[in-house]
Amino acid sequence: DTGVSQDPRHKITKRGQNVTFRCDPISEHNRLYWYRQTLGQGPEFLTYFQNEAQLEKSRLLSDRFSAERPKGSFSTLEIQRTEQGDSAMYLCASSRGQENSPLHFGNGTRLTVT
Amino acid sequence: GEDVEQSLFLSVREGDSSVINCTYTDSSSTYLYWYKQEPGAGLQLLTYIFSNMDMKQDQRLTVLLNKKDKHLSLRIADTQTGDSAIYFCAEMGGGATNKLIFGTGTLLAVQP
Repeated sequence: DTGVSQDPRHKITKRGQNVTFRCDPISEHNRLYWYRQTLGQGPEFLTYFQNEAQLEKSRLLSDRFSAERPKGSFSTLEIQRTEQGDSAMYLCASSRGQENSPLHFGNGTRLTVT
Repeated sequence: GEDVEQSLFLSVREGDSSVINCTYTDSSSTYLYWYKQEPGAGLQLLTYIFSNMDMKQDQRLTVLLNKKDKHLSLRIADTQTGDSAIYFCAEMGGGATNKLIFGTGTLLAVQP
């Protein structure tokens, strides 16, 4: 069990640029979640995959955000035309998908939009 | 709607017990979780409790659940400076998604 891995750890970008983050879940986990955490707040749910299917998206996920999990393993989260309000920690989590399978989180990608 | 609330800050002396409180609103929540977050890091799962339980103990950690009042607490015995972190409670609602709804977190500061 190598844990959930996220890359990069930090990303600084200028407003208007596109960014892409990657998440590698724990290998036997078929569920994958993306959360966003701003300073002083708890994580907020963005979207969820079961295998390669994206089954739920939060209202927080505007049209500029897109997430994929093409082969049911790693996932990418892309933000187009970044805005300063996108600055946050983006957390990925995975779980086995059985009832009460706890979510295991990665260390996150901290995005700063200047 | 789903909402989870926690007090923002708790300060204790090393060796004392810490009690972190949480209230939630979704009565259909099946499992409730406690996570720990150290600066710059992700969330570490500490413990969880099923909604039909009143109490769960795991080494220095004791979770108490009052389902009637929708109140959850985490007690840390013999608190150490290494316990200083932000503690989040989270509820897992019913349904297929198994997504977690988090509180705003409680910053625990342990004074030596």
